[in-house]
Amino acid sequence: DAMVIQNPRYQVTQFGKPVTLSCSQTLNHNVMYWYQQKSSQAPKLLFHYYDKDFNNEADTPDNFQSRRPNTSFCFLDIRSPGLGDAAMYLCATSRESGETQYFGPGTRLLVL
Amino acid sequence: AQTVTQSQPEMSVQEAETVTLSCTYDTSENNYYLFWYKQPPSRQMILVIRQEAYKQQNATENRFSVNFQKAAKSFSLKISDSQLGDTAMYFCALRNNAGNMLTFGGGTRLMVKP
Repeated sequence: DAMVIQNPRYQVTQFGKPVTLSCSQTLNHNVMYWYQQKSSQAPKLLFHYYDKDFNNEADTPDNFQSRRPNTSFCFLDIRSPGLGDAAMYLCATSRESGETQYFGPGTRLLVL
Repeated sequence: AQTVTQSQPEMSVQEAETVTLSCTYDTSENNYYLFWYKQPPSRQMILVIRQEAYKQQNATENRFSVNFQKAAKSFSLKISDSQLGDTAMYFCALRNNAGNMLTFGGGTRLMVKP
């Protein structure tokens, strides 16, 4: 089945230790998104890619970076995680800009 | 700027009954899309229903329907014949026609009781 896959589902890292979360999709969608969702809050868009074009939200901290080496994969890099970065990170895709977004299961990040 | 407000942080309903979740929004755009997403505990967020603002007819998907009142900027979700599997956090979201960003409401936690 075509889907959005996120690995790992749970990630533990240490304060200040770089961590990478991954997302892959078999939908062949052009757009991929990363959201941060803190406990009992709504998801907040960090950035998105249209193909290889990167679009950063204005209030996304510099600590968060992203890479999209090809259509199928997109990575979220947190350079120096702080305790406040503990959250669920959701990847989503859409076929084209402005179309319905389909979400992966998320990666829950714990920072010790 | 666009905003989405869900005024009910938590709701409960008895199995087989009907429940309505409220959502209001604000946008300066005339063309936009509205969505309800469901996020079950520890499971992924899935799309429940979507509505295009230029369509007057309310969207329906099986037991899920919306009451879209454009003038009032209201977009409520009605769940009929509630099932235990409907227990989840429900998010209302808005996207402008030209944009990629989904603006989410704060969510409503729905508990379906047996």
